Amino acid sequence: DSGVTQTPKHLITATGQRVTLRCSPRSGDLSVYWYQQSLDQGLQFLIQYYNGEERAKGNILERFSAQQFPDLHSELNLSSLELGDSALYFCASSVTGGPTDTQYFGPGTRLTVL
Amino acid sequence: AQSVTQPDIHITVSEGASLELRCNYSYGATPYLFWYVQSPGQGLQLLLKYFSGDTLVQGIKGFEAEFKRSQSSFNLRKPSVHWSDAAEYFCAVGGGSGGYNKLIFGAGTRLAVHP
Repeated sequence: DSGVTQTPKHLITATGQRVTLRCSPRSGDLSVYWYQQSLDQGLQFLIQYYNGEERAKGNILERFSAQQFPDLHSELNLSSLELGDSALYFCASSVTGGPTDTQYFGPGTRLTVL
Repeated sequence: AQSVTQPDIHITVSEGASLELRCNYSYGATPYLFWYVQSPGQGLQLLLKYFSGDTLVQGIKGFEAEFKRSQSSFNLRKPSVHWSDAAEYFCAVGGGSGGYNKLIFGAGTRLAVHP
């Protein structure tokens, strides 16, 4: 158990819908990351937050948005869902968000878009 | 641009045999390198990481990795594999200026262990 929690574990929805994935970082960690794991794209970095502010952006679609709240939990919002958005979405957290930090990964949320 | 290549998609070894998983990276500066393991239905767990210093890095579960700058490689090794090591292994490169730390992952190597 990494100490990072993600809810829900599974999510099944239809194309065109909007969903919210939630992540609670490890106690004491200030930085949160989101990754997408799909069969065709592999593991891809989406976005990083540090203490409520966006720090780095990767291959995140405009239909996707994220935020980190004052209590440090984070939410990833996915809208206008397409079949290709079906994937495992991981949240990770680290202490400072710096390049030598260890990122601790949550168990993931499996999203299925029908 | 940063990239990571794991040439072997699947590897099968017998229990007790030695293991080497290959990883090659492309990165302009000194890379920060990581190996993660993902068991079925689980998140990723860090096995070991390299930033600087001794090029042979020891990790958890008896794994080690060697950084070879001349070959742009960071191969993972284990002298004797256990059935519980069956999982998917990911090499990643990270780091960057400005204090961020996005990891670029390889495609992964799926390890099967025969009894």
